[in-house]
Amino acid sequence: DAEITQSPRHKITETGRQVTLACHQTWNHNNMFWYRQDLGHGLRLIHYSYGVQDTNKGEVSDGYSVSRSNTEDLPLTLESAASSQTSVYFCASSESAGLEETQYFGPGTRLLVL
Amino acid sequence: AQKITQTQPGMFVQEKEAVTLDCTYDTSDPSYGLFWYKQPSSGEMIFLIYQGSYDQQNATEGRYSLNFQKARKSANLVISASQLGDSAMYFCAMREGRNTPLVFGKGTRLSVIA
Repeated sequence: DAEITQSPRHKITETGRQVTLACHQTWNHNNMFWYRQDLGHGLRLIHYSYGVQDTNKGEVSDGYSVSRSNTEDLPLTLESAASSQTSVYFCASSESAGLEETQYFGPGTRLLVL
Repeated sequence: AQKITQTQPGMFVQEKEAVTLDCTYDTSDPSYGLFWYKQPSSGEMIFLIYQGSYDQQNATEGRYSLNFQKARKSANLVISASQLGDSAMYFCAMREGRNTPLVFGKGTRLSVIA
C-alpha cells in the first residue's frame, strides 16, 4: 500500500546541532508539505514543495530548510536547533494542487531540543 | 488576522448525542475549500470531510456533516450519534484558490462521555 513515512519518530538533540527529519511518500505525489504542531497553535506550515527542485517558505520557515531532489522525499533540516523548535513535526503530501485535493499526513516526528 | 478560527478549545458531549464543532474562516477569494481533520490521541491526522465554496449542498460523510453558511463564513462540523471513539482533536482547515497549502485552525478537543 502507498504510504507516507517519517523518520525518526522521536528525536532528542541539543541546541545548536543540525537535525534532519526525513519524509518519504510512495504515492508519487507532486506536492509535499511540512507542518509543526504546538499546543495552542494548531498546525503551522513550515515549507512546501510542488515538485522536484521547487521549494517555498511557509508561515514559520525561519531556522528551517528543505530540498526536493526527487518526487518521493522532502527532508526538513533544522540548521541550528533551538529550544523553540521543540515540537511535533508532520509531513504531508497531495497528488495535485486542486482546490479539493486532500493532504495526507505522515505519523509525525516528536523533536525535543535540550 | 486569523484565517481559520475555532473558538471552542474543548467540548464535552454525551455518547449517542450530536455535537457541533465551530469553524469560521476569513478569505476574500471566491474559490476556496474547507476541510476537517481528526487527530486521535495516537497522533495521526485523519481527513474527515471537504466542502467547496461553490458546492450547493452541505457535505456529508457518514456521521459527519458540514453546516456550511457561506454568508457567515462558517463551516461547522456536525457529528451525529457520538461514539467514545470520536474523542479526539478536530481541526478545521482552508485552501484559498488552487496551488496553495492548507491553513489550519488551532483545533477543538472533543471528549465523548459514556
